[in-house]
Amino acid sequence: NAGVTQTPKFRVLKTGQSMTLLCAQDMNHEYMYWYRQDPGMGLRLIHYSVGEGTTAKGEVPDGYNVSRLKKQNFLLGLESAAPSQTSVYFCASSYGAGGAWQETQYFGPGTRLLVL
Amino acid sequence: SQELEQSPQSLIVQEGKNLTINCTSSKTLYGLYWYKQKYGEGLIFLMMLQKGGEEKSHEKITAKLDEKKQQSSLHITASQPSHAGIYLCGADAGSSNTGKLIFGQGTTLQVKP
Repeated sequence: NAGVTQTPKFRVLKTGQSMTLLCAQDMNHEYMYWYRQDPGMGLRLIHYSVGEGTTAKGEVPDGYNVSRLKKQNFLLGLESAAPSQTSVYFCASSYGAGGAWQETQYFGPGTRLLVL
Repeated sequence: SQELEQSPQSLIVQEGKNLTINCTSSKTLYGLYWYKQKYGEGLIFLMMLQKGGEEKSHEKITAKLDEKKQQSSLHITASQPSHAGIYLCGADAGSSNTGKLIFGQGTTLQVKP
């Protein structure tokens, strides 16, 4: 199993350009998440999905859109990139969630994005 | 909203020394995760704690959750250069059936040979 994979690994964008980050998991996980990691701020949740065809906003959703057309894929889109979106983006997935039976989230290797 | 505070923010230790990293929550923890991150890589799951007073160990790393379930500690015994990295604690954000986690800001550990 490849686990959670992310493409691309690194990207440089100019302000105003658009791009899509792809996250794929081969563990048949129901739940998928997109986080951004910035120095001194830990990881912050952007959007998440609790199943195919469903998405929801996390802590910092502005400027991003997501889609979960297939269970194994979770796409993060930046329609008009801004320098404030320079960050490392991590995708994660889990089998289940909630309460005492909350499942571990497995993370991808990350995508480094630089917006000039 | 719940917040997680990690201390210290960074740590430099000599190889062979013991160390402890703390994670304190503003609210009761229902599921506390410890992850390790090496520079330029993703997060690797270490341990999960759920019950007050629970303690888990893996190799030379021990994690504990206090009885009140508001603080967790990660203890490394006889540190090695392979332990270097960023350690993050994460916790259930309190929303049922979503799996949303909030994370501490991370603790950067350097181990000097």
